[in-house]
Amino acid sequence: QSALTQPPSASGSPGQSVTISCTGTSSDVGGYNYVSWYQQHPGKAPKLMIYEVNKRPSGVPDRFSGSKSGNTASLTVSGLQAEDEADYYCSSYAGSSNFCVFGTGTKVTVL
Amino acid sequence: QVQLQESGPGLVKPSETLSLTCAVSGYSISSGYYWDWIRQPPGKGLEWIGSIYESGSTYYKPSLKSRVTISVDTSKNQFFLKVTSVTAADTAVYYCARANGQFDHDHWGQGTLVIVSS
Repeated sequence: QSALTQPPSASGSPGQSVTISCTGTSSDVGGYNYVSWYQQHPGKAPKLMIYEVNKRPSGVPDRFSGSKSGNTASLTVSGLQAEDEADYYCSSYAGSSNFCVFGTGTKVTVL
Repeated sequence: QVQLQESGPGLVKPSETLSLTCAVSGYSISSGYYWDWIRQPPGKGLEWIGSIYESGSTYYKPSLKSRVTISVDTSKNQFFLKVTSVTAADTAVYYCARANGQFDHDHWGQGTLVIVSS
């Protein structure tokens, strides 16, 4: 089971939007509406930001949104703020043989 | 609130067994959810290792299945990870986390660094 593919980096100025892609296959991202996104600051544990493609846990700002088309999921951060600078990982349910697969990770820089 | 805390040796010799404990507070493991182990090699991405349900059913990443065992002690509200025959490639920060049936991990421990070295 290969990791989901994410761009290594993305950036934007404060107030702008940035979108991160997460590409898998029909066996994971494309096969289920069970994509989640995590934010990880240096030295910290990941934090769940989006689950089931586009749902936000309580407390996550609505600046964070998710979507999916075919085998590619996306996370959009609108109105970028300095504290959004972090690594972001996608994850997908991958069926009853492989269960769970993470993405390669994207470093978001706020310029 | 739900809290998870990993513990265990920070240094393991090659070919030996890595053993970690995750202590859960604020939620009873036997009340449901899946209890997972995830690792992150230094400077690299996240890797799901495996999961145990409160019933004791286990699920492992296929490429690690031959070396990994996850178990649970509901009386102590703890779950455990064992990785046998470790190599330098097993050096990582190991996280324990709570997950739903779709592997959305909503609560994480702080992580513990395990270095494999002689």
